[in-house]
Amino acid sequence: DVKVTQSSRYLVKRTGEKVFLECVQDMDHENMFWYRQDPGLGLRLIYFSYDVKMKEKGDIPEGYSVSREKKERFSLILESASTNQTSMYLCASSREGRRYEQYFGPGTRLTVT
Amino acid sequence: AQSVTQLDSQVPVFEEAPVELRCNYSSSVSVYLFWYVQYPNQGLQLLLKYLSGSTLVKGINGFEAEFNKSQTSFHLRKPSVHISDTAEYFCAVSGRINEKLTFGTGTRLTIIP
Repeated sequence: DVKVTQSSRYLVKRTGEKVFLECVQDMDHENMFWYRQDPGLGLRLIYFSYDVKMKEKGDIPEGYSVSREKKERFSLILESASTNQTSMYLCASSREGRRYEQYFGPGTRLTVT
Repeated sequence: AQSVTQLDSQVPVFEEAPVELRCNYSSSVSVYLFWYVQYPNQGLQLLLKYLSGSTLVKGINGFEAEFNKSQTSFHLRKPSVHISDTAEYFCAVSGRINEKLTFGTGTRLTIIP
């Protein structure tokens, strides 16, 4: 069974803290994605990685960075968390040539106070 | 650029009644179309996809969708819903060349016993 796992289901951080969200996939997929999900706004792409150490900005990259040192792992970093980054964060992966067919993790609900 | 419109943010339906969730898209290029489902406290999973061929597409759990190019629509239907269909449903569109996936804002389907 294919799997995308995220390090935490719930996370509470203070404003200004550095936050790491981790995602691991076991499907040997080339592509990995980070989205945020907000009520009424659907899913918005933050960053996309198509290979180790390769990344592209998505629609809302401001305030975020990413790291992909190994094929199976994709990290989202909030350098200095702010309250407007309180959201559900979803990680996904897909194989090369099938970018649109994505497998999602269960999500991390981040609250910044 | 491409976009997806899901006009209904919430749809309540009685158990065993039929349901239609509406989706319209806009794109200047040829597209692939998808429906993803998010069950409570889970990530998204692919319900069905239209890539080419027959405009009527069947997916998991008895759902189907019809691609209508002239009306730029891809509505999701099920003839008889069950309590287990309670979830949020996202329509998504991808360009055939760049394959960037754009999601709609979602429709929350509530089944009334």
